[in-house]
Amino acid sequence: DAGVIQSPRHEVTEMGQEVTLRCKPISGHDYLFWYRQTMMRGLELLIYFNNNVPIDDSGMPEDRFSAKMPNASFSTLKIQPSEPRDSAVYFCASKLQGALAHEQYFGPGTRLTVT
Amino acid sequence: DAKTTQPPSMDCAEGRAANLPCNHSTISGNEYVYWYRQIHSQGPQYIIHGLKNNETNEMASLIITEDRKSSTLILPHATLRDTAVYYCIVRVPWDRRNSGGSNYKLTFGKGTLLTVNP
Repeated sequence: DAGVIQSPRHEVTEMGQEVTLRCKPISGHDYLFWYRQTMMRGLELLIYFNNNVPIDDSGMPEDRFSAKMPNASFSTLKIQPSEPRDSAVYFCASKLQGALAHEQYFGPGTRLTVT
Repeated sequence: DAKTTQPPSMDCAEGRAANLPCNHSTISGNEYVYWYRQIHSQGPQYIIHGLKNNETNEMASLIITEDRKSSTLILPHATLRDTAVYYCIVRVPWDRRNSGGSNYKLTFGKGTLLTVNP
């Protein structure tokens, strides 16, 4: 199994630009999570999906952030417009329907830098 | 969630046991101890968890003191690939039946940077 795949691994953009992060969960996993990690705030859950449906987006910081999951094998996290304070590592994770919540498998992350 | 305290860094010789301590003196009766690690440029990885009994799996052992105010993660034969930041988390266990977002929230502190030396 290839594990959770994220792209790009690194993204550098200017303030005001649109940024799209992509995630391919492990095949067969029903849950998909988006996290953000910074030195100041640690790892924060932004949103998660179950069977492609967003279940809880209370962690999404602002309306500038949006996430979609058009099918079971693909999800995007979009920031529009981006700001320097959005600079962070964004992780995608997935898990099986029957697995316990702590059994999430994380991708390698996308390091976003907004200048 | 109870607060945890871990040393910022530790060194270990390759092949030796690595013992990583965690203090959680304010732990509640229904809170579990979870350990994760994060290897450089990778996402967090679940290692092990426990309530009060010692636990062992293919990755590590978890020793929890009788008063549950501290615990130790043991990597029995550390390898260079075990170099990572190790996080101790104390919280009420996630419940697969609970769809609340906070149930899946992972809050990491500073953790311990374990460096395994050749």
